[in-house]
Formats: sequence, C-alpha cells, structure tokens
Amino acid sequence: EAGVAQSPRYKIIEKRQSVAFWCNPISGHATLYWYQQILGQGPKLLIQFQNNGVVDDSQLPKDRFSAERLKGVDSTLKIQPAKLEDSAVYLCASSFGGRETQYFGPGTRLLVL
Amino acid sequence: EDQVTQSPEALRLQEGESSSLNCSYTVSGLRGLFWYRQDPGKGPEFLFTLYSAGEEKEKERLKATLTKKESFLHITAPKPEDSATYLCAVQAPGAQKLVFGQGTRLTINP
Repeated sequence: EAGVAQSPRYKIIEKRQSVAFWCNPISGHATLYWYQQILGQGPKLLIQFQNNGVVDDSQLPKDRFSAERLKGVDSTLKIQPAKLEDSAVYLCASSFGGRETQYFGPGTRLLVL
Repeated sequence: EDQVTQSPEALRLQEGESSSLNCSYTVSGLRGLFWYRQDPGKGPEFLFTLYSAGEEKEKERLKATLTKKESFLHITAPKPEDSATYLCAVQAPGAQKLVFGQGTRLTINP
C-alpha cells in the first residue's frame, strides 16, 4: 500500500516570498492533517480536514497560511508571505477516520532566508 | 491545555544496554496515547497506541506501558538500528488532533 506522498521534499526561499506544499494521502483516508515541526520539537497541528471540510484550524496563522483540500483527496498548504520563523518541516498525515491512527508522509523541509 | 513532556531529551546507550524512555502527560481524559519513531530526514513512523492504564504492547525490542499519568517505552538489548527520535503523543476525548512531546533522541553505539 502506498504511503502519504509529499512534494517538494526541500524548499529554500527568501522572506516575504510565497511557497506551496502538496500532499496526497493514503487511498481511502478521509482525514488529512498538516503539522509543523520546528527543529528539536514535536509536530504541531496546523489544520485538519475531514473530506473537503475543515475540522480544526485553530493553530493556523491565517494571516499568512492557507490550505485547501479539493475533491476530498489531495491537499495544498500555502504560506504567503513567508517569515524567517516559518523555517520548519511541514508534515502531512492521513487517517481512515478522525480517531484512527495517523500515518505521516516524509515531510517538506522549508528554509526561509 | 493538553501537555506532553518527554524525558530524557537525549539518551546514549551501548548496544545491548536496556533502558526506558518516559512520557508524562496532562490531558482532560485520554482517548489514546501514541508512540512514533522518527529517523533523520523522515516523517514519524507509527509504533503503538495505548488506550487505558495497565495496557502494554510489544514490538521486537520495544515495549510500551501506560499509567494514568505517564507512559514508558522500554527498549531491551537495543541495536544501533534502534537509533532514532521517539515521539509520544496524546489524543483527548472528542478531539482528533495529536498533541506531541518534544521527543527523546536515542543513540545506540555499537
């Protein structure tokens, strides 16, 4: 069974630029999560989707971050404009249902200069 | 607010030297406690889920246990390939997100 796919794997941008990350969850998984992992810390939830709808975006900095999940499958996370403190690994995870085990992708490593 | 604290932050062992990692949590009720392994440059890999105090689960050299306030990940006779960061996370009733600790970075020297 294919796992969670993410791209790109690495991205370097300058502050104030924009960037987008893509995630394809495990087939059949209705719930999709985006986490931010700063170096030396555990992942922190940014946003959770159940099919097309947003379940939790309470920790998403909405002035600069946006996310969408079209057709209940793939998802895109965007940062515009990026700040230095956005340097982190952005992890996508998916689960069959909202309370099932979450499976993570390899992450996108973002460096903002 | 749900909180997870892992200790130690880093642990270095010799191959074959058994030890335990600790995960202390405060949460309003507990739906599940999760252990993940994360290798450098990779996403977290699921290991175990524990649901109630007294529960234990094993996988190869790893055994996870749960009490009402903490969980332990016991590693028996570790090998160098067990070197990784081990993450603990909790899920509260009615919530779906995982709240993670900062992880324990484990190094096993041959």
